Amino acid sequence: GAGVSQSPSNKVTEKGKDVELRCDPISGHTALYWYRQSLGQGLEFLIYFQGNSAPDKSGLPSDRFSAERTGGSVSTLTIQRTQQEDSAVYLCASSLVPSGGATTQETQYFGPGTRLLVL
Amino acid sequence: GEDVEQSLFLSVREGDSSVINCTYTDSSSTYLYWYKQEPGAGLQLLTYIFSNMDMKQDQRLTVLLNKKDKHLSLRIADTQTGDSAIYFCAETDSWGKLQFGAGTQVVVTP
Repeated sequence: GAGVSQSPSNKVTEKGKDVELRCDPISGHTALYWYRQSLGQGLEFLIYFQGNSAPDKSGLPSDRFSAERTGGSVSTLTIQRTQQEDSAVYLCASSLVPSGGATTQETQYFGPGTRLLVL
Repeated sequence: GEDVEQSLFLSVREGDSSVINCTYTDSSSTYLYWYKQEPGAGLQLLTYIFSNMDMKQDQRLTVLLNKKDKHLSLRIADTQTGDSAIYFCAETDSWGKLQFGAGTQVVVTP
């Protein structure tokens, strides 16, 4: 079946512009995670969705970053007034249920990422 | 500093065993993971271990967990050129959020 897909695969934007990154999780996966991977910071958690709600937004680096999820499926990560330090690969992952917890191991399946370059 | 630490680079000859080490800090992590990232590709789950186990073997992969020292290792037997990649260890919190190490770049030489 289809894996996690993300679009666009690459995005070049000018400093100060807004960007939207899209994630289509695996069908039926209730948990969705956004991470970013940058040279200076490695792989960082951004936000977690369970269904349409986001119980953990602790990784969003500033109020320029926001995300939403609709219909328990597609998620959009929006970065307003982009800065050069936002340049990174933004990764989305989904799992059938949340991956933590004492009784279940649910693999997070990662998408190919969106490579964002802010000039 | 980072909660999960790994050495950054490992060079190994084809056919030898590779051992990648990791230390973590969250003793409540239920599962610990190893992910592989090949150049230009996404993250692929290699294996995981439940925190009440001390060893897990999966074909050429062996994971060792020392919970007392919060030390995790991944051994790859008979390392092949296709094993050249960046390997990340990760711990999870109760939401399933993955906390990754910086990654170990493994280079396999002929």
